[in-house]
Amino acid sequence: GAVVSQHPSWVICKSGTSVKIECRSLDFQATTMFWYRQFPKQSLMLMATSNEGSKATYEQGVEKDKFLINHASLTLSTLTVTSAHPEDSSFYICSASPAGGGGNQPQHFGDGTRLSIL
Amino acid sequence: GQNIDQPTEMTATEGAIVQINCTYQTSGFNGLFWYQQHAGEAPTFLSYNVLDGLEEKGRFSSFLSRSKGYSYLLLKELQMKDSASYLCAVKDSNYQLIWGAGTKLIIKP
Repeated sequence: GAVVSQHPSWVICKSGTSVKIECRSLDFQATTMFWYRQFPKQSLMLMATSNEGSKATYEQGVEKDKFLINHASLTLSTLTVTSAHPEDSSFYICSASPAGGGGNQPQHFGDGTRLSIL
Repeated sequence: GQNIDQPTEMTATEGAIVQINCTYQTSGFNGLFWYQQHAGEAPTFLSYNVLDGLEEKGRFSSFLSRSKGYSYLLLKELQMKDSASYLCAVKDSNYQLIWGAGTKLIIKP
């Protein structure tokens, strides 16, 4: 149980393109999902917390107009990297915990999206 | 501020035992998690501790001492596939997950 699906796995596109990444909880409902970014050989960096039915909470230094987050249902959150540039190339990972599960519920991660901007 | 410390890198031999330590200073505590992350992949959940003591799960065990702000992950009978980064994470008083930088474990034959 507690499977999170992330799509696509790989994206290679030209500079200036907008890229949408989907994160779905397949067998549970998630009022909150999390978006991380990880550069090579570095630790996970939380970008934003996605809240179902309300605005996302962004971490300091993350541009909310560049990284658009939508959490329209209890099983789906999307991250759109708008007008992507080479410096946005990174490994983007989403995670989610079952709603109402309490503090001991781990975050379950999607497989990640490797984004390469040419 | 909030801080989680773990060694950057460790090396161990196949078949041996290794202990990866994690110390934390957070505003409140609502549990400690260990995750495994293979290169190029997303993290996978290994263990959860909220009370003091040892939690055993097969070849992996995790220990917690809340008074010392300390945890360790113990890996027994090491296999080559255990080569990965091991991430320690703590939920603070707001149930926000604070991540350590991870320990890269290298297993040698």
